[in-house]
Amino acid sequence: QQQVKQSPQSLIVQKGGISIINCAYENTAFDYFPWYQQFPGKGPALLIAIRPDVSEKKEGRFTISFNKSAKQFSLHIMDSQPGDSATYFCAASKGSNYKLTFGKGTLLTVNP
Amino acid sequence: DGGITQSPKYLFRKEGQNVTLSCEQNLNHDAMYWYRQDPGQGLRLIYYSQIVNDFQKGDIAEGYSVSREKKESFPLTVTSAQKNPTAFYLCASSIGTATSTDTQYFGPGTRLTVL
Repeated sequence: QQQVKQSPQSLIVQKGGISIINCAYENTAFDYFPWYQQFPGKGPALLIAIRPDVSEKKEGRFTISFNKSAKQFSLHIMDSQPGDSATYFCAASKGSNYKLTFGKGTLLTVNP
Repeated sequence: DGGITQSPKYLFRKEGQNVTLSCEQNLNHDAMYWYRQDPGQGLRLIYYSQIVNDFQKGDIAEGYSVSREKKESFPLTVTSAQKNPTAFYLCASSIGTATSTDTQYFGPGTRLTVL
């Protein structure tokens, strides 16, 4: 059972465009939703995260939008740059549980 | 330099052999984790440890074993019982606050190939 579904699997965007990656979750007990960025051959790094008590969080060009009733959240990358080309993972965790449940990832390519 | 180190970066193994992947952290984190990453599959949790001398199975623990004898070290052994061991293995650590916002920091990974 896949608890966090991520789409699209891959995404190609032109430089300066907006990249949008979507995730949907099933478990309403999840209360923390981080996004990780991974470059080829490297480990993932935390990019931005949100709690369900807010509908949006912005850090620079990166914004998370959260829809609690729809059980969906998304990552928006404004003014996408070639350096943003990477694999992005959404994830979710709950309460005192240490476990992170990851989506399957989105390979983003930003063309110059 | 603080962080998580994994060694080796690349590892080749013959079928039927056990192999141990190293993970060391100098962040003074209590919790450590092992994930397996396959193309198009995301990250799947193998084992995690909240404190020294204690660890729990994750979602795909079969064919793997771990130990946590020191706070800074969490080695993973891939045994011959693991049917499909070729993958990218990632180690992570976190402070261990027992809250959902406990951020996990990842090492650079070890790519294991079974020949």
